[in-house]
Amino acid sequence: QQPVQSPQAVILREGEDAVINCSSSKALYSVHWYRQKHGEAPVFLMILLKGGEQKGHDKISASFNEKKQQSSLYLTASQLSYSGTYFCGTETSGGYNKLIFGAGTRLAVHP
Amino acid sequence: GAVVSQHPSRVICKSGTSVKIECRSLDFQATTMFWYRQFPKKSLMLMATSNEGSKATYEQGVEKDKFLINHASLTLSTLTVTSAHPEDSSFYICSARASREQFFGPGTRLTVL
Repeated sequence: QQPVQSPQAVILREGEDAVINCSSSKALYSVHWYRQKHGEAPVFLMILLKGGEQKGHDKISASFNEKKQQSSLYLTASQLSYSGTYFCGTETSGGYNKLIFGAGTRLAVHP
Repeated sequence: GAVVSQHPSRVICKSGTSVKIECRSLDFQATTMFWYRQFPKKSLMLMATSNEGSKATYEQGVEKDKFLINHASLTLSTLTVTSAHPEDSSFYICSARASREQFFGPGTRLTVL
């Protein structure tokens, strides 16, 4: 079942912050975050695993609430390069299983 | 991060023809690869999970006979769109897991005339 992302779209000025949320109706093993620019493939940003382990870029942070089956991606001091569509992908069990992606959040950062 | 390549990046074909798309993991071995399809401004829709040495697992609603998947080696999976029609026009993206992370290829834009 597809996770739900919110908001659908965000418009920021450079330097502003944003939070993108992802929630699932199923118990999650991991949450993966990606950014996709127009016409390109998604680029890996971060993975958050059940139990607290996480791995990703230094300038991007995220949280994973296992009990609530929710994850949030925090974009601070946004830059123009942050523009794109952000997707969360959820995995409901371990063992290199498939990821199911949310509908995406479109982020536009303006000067 | 790990590198996944895809070929071709763009293909235009006539209705009724078949098109093969290759997905390679360049610097790691991938026992499992995934094929996604994406329509403009839409999400990534999982089509199938490709398993090395065995049959692919297709998602509900995806026609197995239309989208043939072969995972012949630990670094190569292929997707063949058979008897393509205009409604098959889309952006097809493969991905592979390296450790816990999943990395995507650059995608193939298929246009069926």
